[in-house]
Order: sequence, then structure tokens, then C-alpha cells
Amino acid sequence: RKEVEQDPGPFNVPEGATVAFNCTYSNSASQSFFWYRQDCRKEPKLLMSVYSSGNEDGRFTAQLNRASQYISLLIRDSKLSDSATYLCVVNRATGNQFYFGTGTSLTVIP
Amino acid sequence: DAGITQSPRHKVTETGTPVTLRCHQTENHRYMYWYRQDPGHGLRLIHYSYGVKDTDKGEVSDGYSVSRSKTEDFLLTLESATSSQTSVYFCASSLGTSGQETQYFGPGTRLLVL
Repeated sequence: RKEVEQDPGPFNVPEGATVAFNCTYSNSASQSFFWYRQDCRKEPKLLMSVYSSGNEDGRFTAQLNRASQYISLLIRDSKLSDSATYLCVVNRATGNQFYFGTGTSLTVIP
Repeated sequence: DAGITQSPRHKVTETGTPVTLRCHQTENHRYMYWYRQDPGHGLRLIHYSYGVKDTDKGEVSDGYSVSRSKTEDFLLTLESATSSQTSVYFCASSLGTSGQETQYFGPGTRLLVL
């Protein structure tokens, strides 16, 4: 079983829509959680960390459910510039290794 | 953005030749990582380093070796390149003081093995 699993999509949504991505992780010892964004042919960049209490950054909201071992990302009022691949990332802390999902592709349509 | 550079950015080589990719960071980060990214697989860890001369294998380490002689430099070597090693290679670094920190990535190296 993969460490981190995501629905690859693609998600095609109109501007202004709300879209949600989910991600599950297999190792209950996982300590920290992140969403990264990757544009075509570019490197991944941190979008936001995910905390147990949930956290929000502008139009983006991340939630963590440790009991069910899943992480979510909600994007409200989608912009064309949100088109990218969103990577779910989990860190076990032991060895400071990061595990990446395969990514969810989002295209925001005018 | 963290100062991480990779060289070369693009390389075409032939099967059986050795290839070395370089990663350089100016953040004094303790941890450095090499990943490869392929369609359908996402990012997979090849090797990582937790200090000068301290390295360990990742998920897909066969056919690769690494070296870290200075904090700022992490080299990935393909001893004898094969076509299956055609990929995009990303280097990353993290501070290394806790498990809550983030990774910062270099711009990637596109390697084609003919």
C-alpha cells in the first residue's frame, strides 16, 4: 500500500467554484502534513502546512483527521492561477523523510 | 524562496555512461534529498543526507550513489546510466531541527538517457 494516496483527477472547475481534494496516509506514526503546489515543469512549492486544528490561508483551508488518516484541501472562489497539481505530503519525523502523493491535477476554466 | 540550485538543468547522455548531478544550497540546511519524478509515480526518494558524510537510502536507490562532503553540496551519481533512469530529478533541503519543518526544492534536472 502506498504511504500517501490521492485522487489524481483531473478536476476541471469554472472560475469562482469551490473545489476539495482529499488525501489518505497509511502510517499512523506520521507527524506532520503539508500541501504543496507544483506548476507544469516546475518544482514543488509549499502551499500550506496542515495542523490538527485545521488552518486557513485566504481562500485555502486545510484539515487533518488523524483518526481516519486523511487530509483535505479546500479552495474557495477558484482563480485561473490556481491551475496546478496539488501534492499531499506526509512526514514521519523519524529520519525526517517526506512521503508524497502522486498529486491531484486542477484546471480552472474561464 | 530558499537558495537551492541544481546543475545541469538538462542533460542527454548515453546508456552506460556515468552521470553526476549537483545540488547546492545556501541555507545551511542540515538535511538534503534527491528525488525522481515520473508520471504515475509522483516524487520518489532516491537518497537523503542528514549531515556531512551522513547519507541513507530511499525508496529507489538502486543504481544511484550520493556524496556530501560539504553542508551546501549534495551530489547524485548514476554510475552507469540506463534508459529507466530517464526522469526529472529534484533536489530538496530542510533545516533538520524538527519533523514539523518544510522542504524547499531546487528547479530540477531533466535527464534523458538514450
